[in-house]
Amino acid sequence: AQSVTQLGSHVSVSEGALVLLRCNYSSSVPPYLFWYVQYPNQGLQLLLKYTSAATLVKGINGFEAEFKKSETSFHLTKPSAHMSDAAEYFCAVSHLTGANSKLTFGKGITLSVRP
Amino acid sequence: GAGVSQTPSNKVTEKGKYVELRCDPISGHTALYWYRQSLGQGPEFLIYFQGTGAADDSGLPNDRFFAVRPEGSVSTLKIQRTERGDSAMYLCASSLFPGVGETQYFGPGTRLLVL
Repeated sequence: AQSVTQLGSHVSVSEGALVLLRCNYSSSVPPYLFWYVQYPNQGLQLLLKYTSAATLVKGINGFEAEFKKSETSFHLTKPSAHMSDAAEYFCAVSHLTGANSKLTFGKGITLSVRP
Repeated sequence: GAGVSQTPSNKVTEKGKYVELRCDPISGHTALYWYRQSLGQGPEFLIYFQGTGAADDSGLPNDRFFAVRPEGSVSTLKIQRTERGDSAMYLCASSLFPGVGETQYFGPGTRLLVL
């Protein structure tokens, strides 16, 4: 079975500081990995995804993530946090069961940005 | 173009009542997913449609939950004899195709509260 672990439920950074949100996966086959962001009272929006091409993936709003097979990790980073980045972030793995490529999500991390 | 829409945005009902939650996917998307998100958790898979058929309903918690997609577009999630434990955010997502690397686009969700 495939799973995702997001350690910690809350990260707080100062505006302009580095953002690092951790995600580790467990998968018996090469995984497809996703980061989604959820703003208050909104649906999930895709930030970026890894689909076995380049290991460093660039997404929207200045975010990027690096797939590291040796560490089974797919951590999300952003060099300089903005106030608008405050949201909940979910890491997810996609796996094929029959014809169903459902997503399995981590518990999510709430990012707070201090002025 | 229009994204995934869900109605109602909020639903308050009494224990034992029947509810229907509607999802209108992005036009042309063949795959449709329902997820449930409890407070403080990531979304959890409920059911997947490919076209009109429910290809995988393994995530439905019990037989009080049922979903349809009669014309391969709009889907309705139906919950009978609602219980307080059914209170959650219900999310719908669609993708153009059902492949593992395909992006799933999420709607804003329906927040269900069972009193």
